[in-house]
Amino acid sequence: SQKIEQNSEALNIQEGKTATLTCNYTNYSPAYLQWYRQDPGRGPVFLLLIRENEKEKRKERLKVTFDTTLKQSLFHITASQPADSATYLCALVNSGNTPLVFGKGTRLSVIA
Amino acid sequence: GAVVSQHPSRVICKSGTSVKIECRSLDFQATTMFWYRQFPKQSLMLMATSNEGSKATYEQGVEKDKFLINHASLTLSTLTVTSAHPEDSSFYICSAYSGGADTQYFGPGTRLTVL
Repeated sequence: SQKIEQNSEALNIQEGKTATLTCNYTNYSPAYLQWYRQDPGRGPVFLLLIRENEKEKRKERLKVTFDTTLKQSLFHITASQPADSATYLCALVNSGNTPLVFGKGTRLSVIA
Repeated sequence: GAVVSQHPSRVICKSGTSVKIECRSLDFQATTMFWYRQFPKQSLMLMATSNEGSKATYEQGVEKDKFLINHASLTLSTLTVTSAHPEDSSFYICSAYSGGADTQYFGPGTRLTVL
């Protein structure tokens, strides 16, 4: 069966450092991989999408890599700030109108 | 753009009653909407896929007679939890797909508590 693993349930880092979150998957060949941010009691907010033929995507302080050979995506937040503290979810999808398959998320805490 | 709303944001009801949750795409037409459920410290789990004008497709283990989904227009889908029980208490989240984008947009979620 399809399986998505996000390496850490929780990650604590110092403000200003780079946070790196990992998403691994098995038994799946996604067309897209997406990263979302979820704050407590709120719905997920879309951050970045990376396609299977893309290696890297950047948006401001965010960077996502996608290695379809390793079946892994890395999500980086550079110059992290306390406001970046949230749960980050990775999700796989075949196309826009098919359901997303989510990992359990990594709860990031940026300490000032 | 691409705003999805849910109503209500929070609902508390007695066991045995029915609760309706609305999901609206405010500035785009959603050909497909999805309903997810999230238990504490768990991932979002897909419940059903809803296409406008047709019957919803339910995931294995989700009772279609208990979780009624209606997608009557391109901007509105509703989820009705019938005869709710305490184990139905959860965070229900919808998402909408516009057809022109690669991603889905999520609503803010509805916290259901069944006493």
